[in-house]
This record gives sequence, structure tokens and C-alpha cells, in this order.
Amino acid sequence: DGGITQSPKYLFRKEGQNVTLSCEQNLNHDAMYWYRQDPGQGLRLIYYSQIVNDFQKGDIAEGYSVSREKKESFPLTVTSAQKNPTAFYLCASSSYGGLGAKNIQYFGAGTRLSVL
Amino acid sequence: AQSVTQLGSHVSVSEGALVLLRCNYSSSVPPYLFWYVQYPNQGLQLLLKYTTGATLVKGINGFEAEFKKSETSFHLTKPSAHMSDAAEYFCAVSYSGNTGKLIFGQGTTLQVKP
Repeated sequence: DGGITQSPKYLFRKEGQNVTLSCEQNLNHDAMYWYRQDPGQGLRLIYYSQIVNDFQKGDIAEGYSVSREKKESFPLTVTSAQKNPTAFYLCASSSYGGLGAKNIQYFGAGTRLSVL
Repeated sequence: AQSVTQLGSHVSVSEGALVLLRCNYSSSVPPYLFWYVQYPNQGLQLLLKYTTGATLVKGINGFEAEFKKSETSFHLTKPSAHMSDAAEYFCAVSYSGNTGKLIFGQGTTLQVKP
């Protein structure tokens, strides 16, 4: 089945630790996105990538980093600089991110990150 | 700045009653409009979208929405609520040339009472 796989489902971070959230898609989509979801705030864009080896900051990129070495993979690292990382993180993908603003974004099932 | 406002963070209806979830956007440029649904601890699933053409859009699970440019609105409706409709609903917009980024509203939690 085609889709987006996020892992792990639950993740715990210790003080000063970097953690990486995985996102893999087999939809052959060009664009991938990372969102952070907090109660009552909707989804906020962290980073997005329209093509391999290129990515741009979203609205709340501070304390996060990403890479896009393969079309199907877009991992997100939550660094120790992110002081309030507890949230639900969602990865999405779509075709033709730059020219296809009307294209549907498909979402993974999310990773819930908590601080120990 | 472009934004999306969903009126009412919580909406409660009885089973069989009309569902109306409100969404307004702020922009002078016509957007592309989307409604997504999220069940607890899951990702988002597309209900329907408006890009061009007919302003009344039908989606999955009996939902529909109407784009009203004069009111900058895209309200979501369903004639008769089912218990299974209880979830969180998000309105989102994107704009041509805006790299496909979605701008989300704050979300509305729909409660369906038996």
C-alpha cells in the first residue's frame, strides 16, 4: 500500500538530547513537509522540501533540523535548542509542491514526542 | 498576513442533527481551500477541497462545503451527524505560487451526542 510511514509512534527526549523522527513515503511525491501540532493551535509548519537536497524553513524552524538526501525520506531532528519540544509531529507529502498549491497533502500517523 | 479562522473550538450536536463547522480566510487573493479530519492520535485525512469551478464541493462521508468569495468563507456541513463523525476538523488554505504550503485554522472538535 502507498502511504507515509512515521516512526516511532512515541518518543521520549531527555534534557540536552537530540532526537530524530523518521518520515518515509512511497507515493513518489516531490514535496514533503513537517508540522507541529499543539492543542488549540492547529498545525504549524516547521520545514518543507520541494526537491531532493533542498529544503526551506517554515514558520517555526528554530530548534529543528532536516535533511532530504532521498526522495522518499525526510527525517526531522529535534535539537537540544528546542526548549519546548513536547508536541505531536506530523509529516506530509504532495506532488509538485512548488507549482501545485492545489495538490492534496497526505499525512502520516504522527509521532508524539514527550520530554522526560 | 494570510490566516484562517475557525469559529468555535468545540461544537456539539445530537446524532441526526445538522453539522455546521465555520471557516473564514483572510486574503485578497482567492485561495485553494481544504477541509481535513483528524481522529485521536492519527494523522489528517482529506475530506474535500476547492480549487476552481463549482463552488459547492462534495466530499467523503456525506460532507460538503461551499466557497463564498464575497464572505471569504468555506463552511463545512453535513445534513445528519453520525457518532462516527466525532473528531477534530481543520480548515486549510494554500495559494498559487506559495510553494504548496498549507495554512491551517486552529481546529474544531466535533462532539456527537446520542
